[in-house]
Amino acid sequence: GAVVSQHPSRVICKSGTSVKIECRSLDFQATTMFWYRQFPKKSLMLMATSNEGSKATYEQGVEKDKFLINHASLTLSTLTVTSAHPEDSSFYICSARDGQGAYNEQFFGPGTRLTVL
Amino acid sequence: DAKTTQPPSMDCAEGRAANLPCNHSTISGNEYVYWYRQIHSQGPQYIIHGLKNNETNEMASLIITEDRKSSTLILPHATLRDTAVYYCIVRVAVKAQKLVFGQGTRLTINP
Repeated sequence: GAVVSQHPSRVICKSGTSVKIECRSLDFQATTMFWYRQFPKKSLMLMATSNEGSKATYEQGVEKDKFLINHASLTLSTLTVTSAHPEDSSFYICSARDGQGAYNEQFFGPGTRLTVL
Repeated sequence: DAKTTQPPSMDCAEGRAANLPCNHSTISGNEYVYWYRQIHSQGPQYIIHGLKNNETNEMASLIITEDRKSSTLILPHATLRDTAVYYCIVRVAVKAQKLVFGQGTRLTINP
């Protein structure tokens, strides 16, 4: 299957700083990428959908000024957590949709664990 | 997208078949049934999907009832590495883009 990578896999930062997480589709072009957040022992919650070259669509309750999403190319999307606070500590997972696939499958990255001190 | 209902947890002995049920009684005619799994601290992994016919691949089999209101994911010979949370998701394959995850079933394979 198609491969999606995330970087970094783990990050620890101080409260008030900003953190950027990268999501890359390695062997396919991803016209759409998705960002999820997952708290311990909970399910994945969709945060936003980003289409290459256009603004992201955020789910209800997700602050777009706090979680900045950029999808500048068909293989890269970034999520920046601005002015991070301890409550932003979570597991962030991206997925990418293979636009050429017959069923628009989504492939997930390995996740990034963010800890805000 | 239709809502799904799964048991919160299941246990299975290593080497036996693991049968994971999913109810989707409000499924529409153009909605597919997808299965993903998430091993601890990893991203979800696609397993299989189907519309109305039973499907099989190298990972699992998907049995969909004739009325499409429920389905069963079968792992034929479960191994310890199959311990994970399994998510059953119903959605339109072509138009819809979002995957909405429910709580899933936490499957534990016991030695």
